[in-house]
Amino acid sequence: DAGVIQSPRHEVTEMGQEVTLRCKLISGHNSLFWYRQTMMRGLELLIYFNNNVPIDDSGMPEDRFSAKMPNASFSTLKIQPSEPRDSAVYFCASSPSGNRRNTEAFFGQGTRLTVV
Amino acid sequence: GDSVTQMEGPVTLSEEACLTINCTYTATGYPSLFWYVQYPGEGLQLLLKATKADDKGSNKGFEATYRKETTSFHLEKGSVQVSDSAVYFCALSSSKIIFGSGTRLSIRP
Repeated sequence: DAGVIQSPRHEVTEMGQEVTLRCKLISGHNSLFWYRQTMMRGLELLIYFNNNVPIDDSGMPEDRFSAKMPNASFSTLKIQPSEPRDSAVYFCASSPSGNRRNTEAFFGQGTRLTVV
Repeated sequence: GDSVTQMEGPVTLSEEACLTINCTYTATGYPSLFWYVQYPGEGLQLLLKATKADDKGSNKGFEATYRKETTSFHLEKGSVQVSDSAVYFCALSSSKIIFGSGTRLSIRP
């Protein structure tokens, strides 16, 4: 398996533009996590899904952020409109089904977003 | 709510020195505990894990023991190498995976 695949790896956009980040889960995994990493705040959980259903979105910063799972193997994180303070590395991670407590998350390589 | 607190970095050591990175947690119930490592420009990857009290996780010369009485999961290595330079994250898994703030480790040749 190729692992969790994120695209694009780098994105530079102007303030006010819409940004869409994409994530392909590992085949057979049914939990999906979106994280944001910055120097100031470290690694923050934005939202996670289980079986395509959002379970906890309390980490989503504001209404400008939205995440979807249109099918069991794919997710998008959209920011509209983007702002410079959204600049960060965004990670997607997936986890297999079964006993949640014992299973680790498998991370993609991240998307480095720069909003100018 | 559940949380993880780990030692702030950066930590700088000479090659072959002993390493300890402290991690303590707060959780209801009995979480699993993990250490992840992040190399420059990459995502996090699992280093080791322990699923119950007194379990010891180990990998690549690193080890950590799940201590329920002290709610700790300290990461240790007897002799570090330059290639161990990375950011290390302690995490717990209950209903979701919660990460500590990360500790940057730099090893001097």
